[in-house]
Amino acid sequence: DAGITQSPRHKVTETGTPVTLRCHQTENHRYMYWYRQDPGHGLRLIHYSYGVKDTDKGEVSDGYSVSRSKTEDFLLTLESATSSQTSVYFCAIRKGVRGNTEAFFGQGTRLTVV
Amino acid sequence: AQRVTQPEKLLSVFKGAPVELKCNYSYSGSPELFWYVQYSRQRLQLLLRHISRESIKGFTADLNKGETSFHLKKPFAQEEDSAMYYCALTSQGGSEKLVFGKGTKLTVNP
Repeated sequence: DAGITQSPRHKVTETGTPVTLRCHQTENHRYMYWYRQDPGHGLRLIHYSYGVKDTDKGEVSDGYSVSRSKTEDFLLTLESATSSQTSVYFCAIRKGVRGNTEAFFGQGTRLTVV
Repeated sequence: AQRVTQPEKLLSVFKGAPVELKCNYSYSGSPELFWYVQYSRQRLQLLLRHISRESIKGFTADLNKGETSFHLKKPFAQEEDSAMYYCALTSQGGSEKLVFGKGTKLTVNP
């Protein structure tokens, strides 16, 4: 399982409520990513991190924020959930060493905003 | 900007037929290309990467910098190859951003 877990695995929440998804790794990898997966859109990068407290935006960052206060945890927050944020969210980690840049993925979190 | 295009959303072939999943990319720097696969109810996992020039499960992919392509090929498709396939791009040197295409759903019919 490459030492990466996401929590929760499933969540139903109401429009307008804040939601935080957690990605936890035990590999001490430098890079961490949050993606959303939607039919017809594939995997779209939301935010990523290249170190503790170092994050940057991806393709679809509006409405999302992230934090990484320690190497092992990367949190994704929806400040005020909307129905358009109903999706499956995947976290990924990468070691980032040249020649060894495979990404390992979590199991996904299915989020439904009603 | 990094961009990956997979022109086919769906691809259906018969068992034993050759299969080619197309991937084109846009990137001004030195790219590193990958193919990831997601089988039903499983996590995404790496299939192969151009830098290692390997063949996994009979699949190969060649990076063509002139055509900015990284097409995935297999000479004889198997039913167990049915899955979602994603092409991905990052820059060489272990840089940060990892961008995926929209994916191609491959169905191999008996």
